[in-house]
Amino acid sequence: GAVVSQHPSWVICKSGTSVKIECRSLDFQATTMFWYRQFPKQSLMLMATSNEGSKATYEQGVEKDKFLINHASLTLSTLTVTSAHPEDSSFYICSARDPTHWNTEAFFGQGTRLTVV
Amino acid sequence: AQSVTQLGSHVSVSEGALVLLRCNYSSSVPPYLFWYVQYPNQGLQLLLKYTSAATLVKGINGFEAEFKKSETSFHLTKPSAHMSDAAEYFCAVNGNRDDKIIFGKGTRLHILP
Repeated sequence: GAVVSQHPSWVICKSGTSVKIECRSLDFQATTMFWYRQFPKQSLMLMATSNEGSKATYEQGVEKDKFLINHASLTLSTLTVTSAHPEDSSFYICSARDPTHWNTEAFFGQGTRLTVV
Repeated sequence: AQSVTQLGSHVSVSEGALVLLRCNYSSSVPPYLFWYVQYPNQGLQLLLKYTSAATLVKGINGFEAEFKKSETSFHLTKPSAHMSDAAEYFCAVNGNRDDKIIFGKGTRLHILP
């Protein structure tokens, strides 16, 4: 199946700094990618839909100025957590679908464990 | 709009026993349904998917699920549980190819020796 690579797999940062997480589709071009957040022992909550070449679509309650999403190419989307605070500590997961196989599942990155201290 | 409901946040079965994880869906269009498994601190791995072909879907690791439109269900089963099956399982749905995938709350499967 298709591969989605997410980097870094874990990061620790100081409160007030910004952190960038990358999501790459390695063997297909993804016009749309999705960013999820997962709290411990909970389900995945969709944060936003990342659209190549245009602005991301954020879910209700997600601060767009806090979680900056850029989808500059068909294989790369980035999520930047700006001015991170301890409550932003979470597991972030990206996913993408191969548009040439429209009834296939979404492929997920390995996830990024963010810890803000 | 689509949604899924997973019944039971925790399920415990004995090794060798039948595994049954329940999922009911709601969708305004013919749904695509998925089961994913997640091991601690890892991403999601697809177990199986239903995309309007055969209603009984076979997946990896001996899992299978049956799409029942009349019951709006897509329950996941495995005849004989193995210790390595202990993980978090998510049922998911979406209706269109560019649409977001919506996840259920997840069911943690515990395998008893």
